[in-house]
Amino acid sequence: DAGVIQSPRHEVTEMGQEVTLRCKPISGHNSLFWYRQTMMRGLELLIYFNNNVPIDDSGMPEDRFSAKMPNASFSTLKIQPSEPRDSAVYFCASSGQGGNEQFFGPGTRLTVL
Amino acid sequence: QKEVEQNSGPLSVPEGAIASLNCTYSDRGSQSFFWYRQYSGKSPELIMFIYSNGDKEDGRFTAQLNKASQYVSLLIRDSQPSDSATYLCAAQGEPGTYKYIFGTGTRLKVLA
Repeated sequence: DAGVIQSPRHEVTEMGQEVTLRCKPISGHNSLFWYRQTMMRGLELLIYFNNNVPIDDSGMPEDRFSAKMPNASFSTLKIQPSEPRDSAVYFCASSGQGGNEQFFGPGTRLTVL
Repeated sequence: QKEVEQNSGPLSVPEGAIASLNCTYSDRGSQSFFWYRQYSGKSPELIMFIYSNGDKEDGRFTAQLNKASQYVSLLIRDSQPSDSATYLCAAQGEPGTYKYIFGTGTRLKVLA
């Protein structure tokens, strides 16, 4: 049974470039979460979707960040333009009905030079 | 600001000892609590969850919840070097709120 799939696993880009991170949740899960993890701030929730609808985006740091979930099996997190302070590990997680027990993907390590 | 507090550690225990990891939370409305283990460079992995006051045991792990004191703990019995990792505590709000608030984690080192 496949877990949460994220791509790319590593991304190195230059300041000002657009970055798109991708996530495929566990089949049958109806909630999807995007997190960012840094040494300084720990694991922060950026946005979460329920049944493909964004429910809470209060953690999105600024307008440079956007997320979409066009269908139940795919979500993207886009940063445009990227800045060095966006460097972090970005995790996607999904959960089933009821929203408990989130399962994390392997993460995307983003480095913005 | 809803918060989950954990001591960052490192907490060092000898192999075979009991490791005790603690967590406090600020939102009295939080209903469910989760412990994740994260190895360096890896993603968080769910170990246990607890909803009711008291103890919940699963193998070498015991989660303890005291809602009156807003306190959650994780005990690891017979600690092994492979348990060395960062342990993240998370609190979930009232039913229907899918958000977790994560603590910053406690780094555990089990010494062989």
